[in-house]
Amino acid sequence: GEDVEQSLFLSVREGDSSVINCTYTDSSSTYLYWYKQEPGAGLQLLTYIFSNMDMKQDQRLTVLLNKKDKHLSLRIADTQTGDSAIYFCAETPGYNFNKFYFGSGTKLNVKP
Amino acid sequence: EPEVTQTPSHQVTQMGQEVILRCVPISNHLYFYWYRQILGQKVEFLVSFYNNEISEKSEIFDDQFSVERPDGSNFTLKIRSTKLEDSAMYFCASRDITAAGNTIYFGEGSWLTVV
Repeated sequence: GEDVEQSLFLSVREGDSSVINCTYTDSSSTYLYWYKQEPGAGLQLLTYIFSNMDMKQDQRLTVLLNKKDKHLSLRIADTQTGDSAIYFCAETPGYNFNKFYFGSGTKLNVKP
Repeated sequence: EPEVTQTPSHQVTQMGQEVILRCVPISNHLYFYWYRQILGQKVEFLVSFYNNEISEKSEIFDDQFSVERPDGSNFTLKIRSTKLEDSAMYFCASRDITAAGNTIYFGEGSWLTVV
């Protein structure tokens, strides 16, 4: 299957920006996603980007896509303690929209 | 905002017992999925379901698993004879193919513990 990789942990101070990185192997990736999982909760869709875009901004969230390097990042501006969660990168390949491939998740810890 | 709902939120069962996990997908969605997440591991695809039949399944989805849409609203995952390694969080998801972004929406998950 396709491989999606993320670093496991990130720790930032409240008010700083957080940048969570993801790499993927599938050159046919069509959509890439960021999901948030709070403790004991489900997967909440944060945002997605189509593969022909370089950047997408949504309030405090900025997604950057470098398709050449197969690198996706999620920047959270002015990080708050409520942003502490696990963030999952996911992609759907162009040949199969039914399958989502997830990374292992990055645990973001926001210190007050 | 419409959401995918799952029951139970947590179930403890003895090895060898049958378990049914229930899901109510978003009402106008046509594709339904089960994913699972073993503690500390990646979220993994189990099965997709469309037009009252399985459209795709992973190698994890062996003969002990089955899915059903018994009525117009519920979508169930049955595990016939649970094993210890079936302990995981099971997520139901649904998708509206007309929506932008090919997005799927996940439920809160059903945490299954097999003892």
